[in-house]
Amino acid sequence: QKEVEQDPGPLSVPEGAIVSLNCTYSNSAFQYFMWYRQYSRKGPELLMYTYSSGNKEDGRFTAQVDKSSKYISLFIRDSQPSDSATYLCATYSGTYKYIFGTGTRLKVLA
Amino acid sequence: ETGVTQSPTHLIKTRGQQVTLRCSSQSGHNTVSWYQQALGQGPQFIFQYYREEENGRGNFPPRFSGLQFPNYSSELNVNALELDDSALYLCASSPGSPSMNTEAFFGQGTRLTVV
Repeated sequence: QKEVEQDPGPLSVPEGAIVSLNCTYSNSAFQYFMWYRQYSRKGPELLMYTYSSGNKEDGRFTAQVDKSSKYISLFIRDSQPSDSATYLCATYSGTYKYIFGTGTRLKVLA
Repeated sequence: ETGVTQSPTHLIKTRGQQVTLRCSSQSGHNTVSWYQQALGQGPQFIFQYYREEENGRGNFPPRFSGLQFPNYSSELNVNALELDDSALYLCASSPGSPSMNTEAFFGQGTRLTVV
């Protein structure tokens, strides 16, 4: 079993839709959770960084962590074509290593 | 504040050769990590450097080695290149010590192709 599981997609939605991206993780000791956005042939860009359970909102983005079910989510409101990218979830293991999911490819259709 | 910069952006090498990739960390960041991202996969942790010493290593063979310099910049060296080493190599920097659990900020990556 992978430590972080993520559906690779692709996920296609119309412009303006609410997008829900999800990951599951296996180790209940993980406490820090990140979402990165990666455009084609570019490096990952940090979107959200959360600690433990709960919600965190930043503009059109909301990150949600449910530690009881080991489930993390990223919601994008009013999605735009410019949101089309691969979204990577990640968690922090111990003191040095980020563990990433495989990434979900998102296409927002104009 | 400058971000993480990596060089070169693209590189083509022949199997068996050696390669050096370079990274300048974001201003004020003293922890540098390297990741390998194969096509269609998430980044895989190679190793991390803090205060010029290796602080942790992923499941990569010894032919992957690195350095961190006093100005916190870093190099990734790969010897005896194999075809499977073809990937996007990402450098990430973080402020503070690794135990502070801070965010990692990535560079644009170096795309290495081994032929």
